[in-house]
Amino acid sequence: AQTVTQSQPEMSVQEAETVTLSCTYDTSESDYYLFWYKQPPSRQMILVIRQEAYKQQNATENRFSVNFQKAAKSFSLKISDSQLGDAAMYFCAYRSANYQLIWGAGTKLIIKP
Amino acid sequence: NAGVMQNPRHLVRRRGQEARLRCSPMKGHSHVYWYRQLPEEGLKFMVYLQKENIIDESGMPKERFSAEFPKEGPSILRIQQVVRGDSAAYFCASSPREQNYEQYFGPGTRLTVT
Repeated sequence: AQTVTQSQPEMSVQEAETVTLSCTYDTSESDYYLFWYKQPPSRQMILVIRQEAYKQQNATENRFSVNFQKAAKSFSLKISDSQLGDAAMYFCAYRSANYQLIWGAGTKLIIKP
Repeated sequence: NAGVMQNPRHLVRRRGQEARLRCSPMKGHSHVYWYRQLPEEGLKFMVYLQKENIIDESGMPKERFSAEFPKEGPSILRIQQVVRGDSAAYFCASSPREQNYEQYFGPGTRLTVT
C-alpha cells in the first residue's frame, strides 16, 4: 500500500524568505501523481501544485515550486518570498491510477512578520 | 462556475442521532469522493461514487455509514447513531471523470458529536 510521510509537523519562516517543506512517499507504482494542498484556517482545501511522475521537469506555480526526486521518492515544496497569506497547513498527497488520494499528516507553516 | 458545495458547514449532533451531509459537485462533474479528516491528521478516503453507483467504498466503516449519489440532487453521506469518534471534518471532492487526476474540494462539513 502507498504511504505518504511529512516529517515536519511545524515550520516557521520569516516573511519574504524561502522555506522548504518535505514529503516522502512509498509506492511500487511507476505512474502516479503528486500534489501539495494548502488548508488555511477556513479549512478549505486548496490545490497549490501538482506533479506527474512521468515528467522529469519540476512543476512551478509562481512562488511555489517542487523538487521531485522520483528515485528517492521525495517531493518537497519550496515557497519563495513567503507572505503572511501563506500561513496554513500544507498537505502532500499521492494519487495512483485508482483515483484515491493518499495524504500525509500535514505541516503547519507559520510566517513571522 | 460555482465550486463544490457542501452543507451544512457545521453540524452538531447528540450521540445516537443521525447526521446527513450533503455535497453538490461542480457543474458537469459526475464523480464524487468523500474524505474524513480527524483532528491533527490528513484526509482519509472513504468512498467514491458516480451517479447512482458506488464505485469504491473500501474506506467506509462497515456499520452506520452509507453514501449515495442519486440521479438528481446532491450526494449524501449518512451517519446513523453517531458516536463521539465520528467528530471530524468531512470533505467532498468532485471530478469530471475518473481519469481526470484533479479532484476539486468543497469547504467541508465539521461534525461535532456531543
